[in-house]
Amino acid sequence: KQEVTQIPAALSVPEGENLVLNCSFTDSAIYNLQWFRQDPGKGLTSLLLIQSSQREQTSGRLNASLDKSSGRSTLYIAASQPGDSATYLCAPRPYNQGGKLIFGQGTELSVKP
Amino acid sequence: GAVVSQHPSWVICKSGTSVKIECRSLDFQATTMFWYRQFPKQSLMLMATSNEGSKATYEQGVEKDKFLINHASLTLSTLTVTSAHPEDSSFYICSASPSGGGTGELFFGEGSRLTVL
Repeated sequence: KQEVTQIPAALSVPEGENLVLNCSFTDSAIYNLQWFRQDPGKGLTSLLLIQSSQREQTSGRLNASLDKSSGRSTLYIAASQPGDSATYLCAPRPYNQGGKLIFGQGTELSVKP
Repeated sequence: GAVVSQHPSWVICKSGTSVKIECRSLDFQATTMFWYRQFPKQSLMLMATSNEGSKATYEQGVEKDKFLINHASLTLSTLTVTSAHPEDSSFYICSASPSGGGTGELFFGEGSRLTVL
C-alpha cells in the first residue's frame, strides 16, 4: 500500500527565501507524480506533473524533481512571495489503480512580507 | 489546464435529508472521475472512483448506500449523500482526467463544503 510523507509539515519563512519541500513515497511503481497547491477552503490547483520517466519539471519559480527509485520528490520554490502561502500536496499515481492519487498530509507554507 | 467545476460550493442541510453534489468537466470528457473527502487539517481521502456508464468503485470503509455516485455522461458525475448526519459534514472534492490518454494529469474541482445540522 502506497504511503506518502511530506516534510516539513509546516514552514514559515520571510519573503524572498528559496524553499525546498520534500515528499517521500513507499512504492516506486508509479505512473507519475503531481504537486498541488491548496488554499484554505478551496480545491486543488495542479502545479507540476512529472512522468515516471522524467527527472524534473519546471514552471516559473517552481521546480519539481523526481527520484523514483528512492521514492522521493522535491518541490523547489524560488524567491518566495506572500502569495505562495498555501498548503502544498504531493500525490504519486500508482500503476494499475485506475488513475487514483495517493496524498500526503501536505506542507503548510506561510511566507511573511 | 483543464477545468473541473463543482456545484454547489457550499450547502447546509438538516440531519436526515439528502444532498446532491455535481462534478462537471467543462472542456474535456472524462470516463473516470474521483470523489475525495477532506476533514479539517487533514489530507484528501479517496472515497470512490466514478465510472461512466457503470457502477462506482468504493474504497474500503465507504458506505455505498450512503454515498450514491452516478456518472451518467462523460462530463458529469454526481455524489448524493443520503440521510445526512452531522458526521458527514466535510469538504468533498472531485477530480477528473481527460479520456483517451494524454499526460494523465488530474484536475480538481473547487470543492463542496457540506454542513449537516
